[in-house]
Amino acid sequence: GQQLNQSPQSMFIQEGEDVSMNCTSSSIFNTWLWYKQDPGEGPVLLIALYKAGELTSNGRLTAQFGITRKDSFLNISASIPSDVGIYFCAGHYSDTGTASKLTFGTGTRLQVTL
Amino acid sequence: NAGVMQNPRHLVRRRGQEARLRCSPMKGHSHVYWYRQLPEEGLKFMVYLQKENIIDESGMPKERFSAEFPKEGPSILRIQQVVRGDSAAYFCASSPRGQPQHFGDGTRLSIL
Repeated sequence: GQQLNQSPQSMFIQEGEDVSMNCTSSSIFNTWLWYKQDPGEGPVLLIALYKAGELTSNGRLTAQFGITRKDSFLNISASIPSDVGIYFCAGHYSDTGTASKLTFGTGTRLQVTL
Repeated sequence: NAGVMQNPRHLVRRRGQEARLRCSPMKGHSHVYWYRQLPEEGLKFMVYLQKENIIDESGMPKERFSAEFPKEGPSILRIQQVVRGDSAAYFCASSPRGQPQHFGDGTRLSIL
């Protein structure tokens, strides 16, 4: 099945630095979601985007829905140790406006050093 | 306000046995989804159900796997005659109609 490409695959940053990651698809989506997964736990929803060009913030997190509807970006400002984890993008497409499956990205593993 | 509840959290089976994974959606959520995750990979969609109906099972293997979401009780993902390749983390998600999916903490299935 289709999978979204995320980059970078992993990153090591220092506490206080800003982080950027992105997600690209070969096909369009009409919803983009960003999740964070900690070891041994399920993905936790961070941000949901519903319109091309939309820019949405949640605290230190900011995400954008790409104009082409084939990509999305997530930025984390002033990183802290608890930001460590794996970040997944997920896309959803429905031409009827109803619920359907999510297609997940390959993940970006974030490590934060003091 | 309980989240999506999955049990058991860990399940060990021998090859050839059956595995039953349970998922109770969040209160008020009528849509349930099952995903599988292998180590170091993203989640892969398996099946989408509403009460008593399978809406999309395009990600389910054709044999040995089945899912249900009865009128009463949790959703069940059933794997018959398990093989080593079935070892994975299985996640359930739920949502109200048209809203983002929220995930449980998964069941880690190990096959001996």
